Amino acid sequence: DAMVIQNPRYQVTQFGKPVTLSCSQTLNHNVMYWYQQKSSQAPKLLFHYYDKDFNNEADTPDNFQSRRPNTSFCFLDIRSPGLGDAAMYLCATKDRNLRSEQYFGPGTRLTVT
Amino acid sequence: KNEVEQSPQNLTAQEGEFITINCSYSVGISALHWLQQHPGGGIVSLFMLSSGKKKHGRLIATINIQEKHSSLHITASHPRDSAVYICAVLSLQGAQKLVFGQGTRLTINP
Repeated sequence: DAMVIQNPRYQVTQFGKPVTLSCSQTLNHNVMYWYQQKSSQAPKLLFHYYDKDFNNEADTPDNFQSRRPNTSFCFLDIRSPGLGDAAMYLCATKDRNLRSEQYFGPGTRLTVT
Repeated sequence: KNEVEQSPQNLTAQEGEFITINCSYSVGISALHWLQQHPGGGIVSLFMLSSGKKKHGRLIATINIQEKHSSLHITASHPRDSAVYICAVLSLQGAQKLVFGQGTRLTINP
């Protein structure tokens, strides 16, 4: 059974057209993460939520925003996608326990035309 | 220097060979993950370790906390094992954030 679900799996958007990626989880985990992964690179953390507390990475562009309306759902909003934002976007979740495992979703591959 | 270093960066082997991928880290950690990512695919967690050794099927992961080193072994490798393997650590200072290695691209030829 899928535990971390990302929709859509593939998203094509136009340059400058806002896009929203979604992530949902059935694990009731406190922590949710959004990563950006470009080709042949390690995932880069954009931000994470600890419950409702939002934690932005210092180098995450303002173009990227996130919402977490409840425990189960988290959204990544890209306000004005540029060609450089084409990447795989990965959502992950984790229990509050420091030693608990991080569970990754299947990712959404974003193409910007 | 990255906090998490993997070696080798690329590895090509024949089906059936024993595979070892190494990970060294320079920070204090609470746990280490080995992750697998097939081309164009999402990330799957293989192991999470904080000490000793874990085995799952043909995969074995070990960690030496004193030496800040972990290895991932694959026995009787198969072409379907071809993927990128990523070592990631949860540092003690990291506030629940993983620090990733650059990955090892493994190709198993039939």
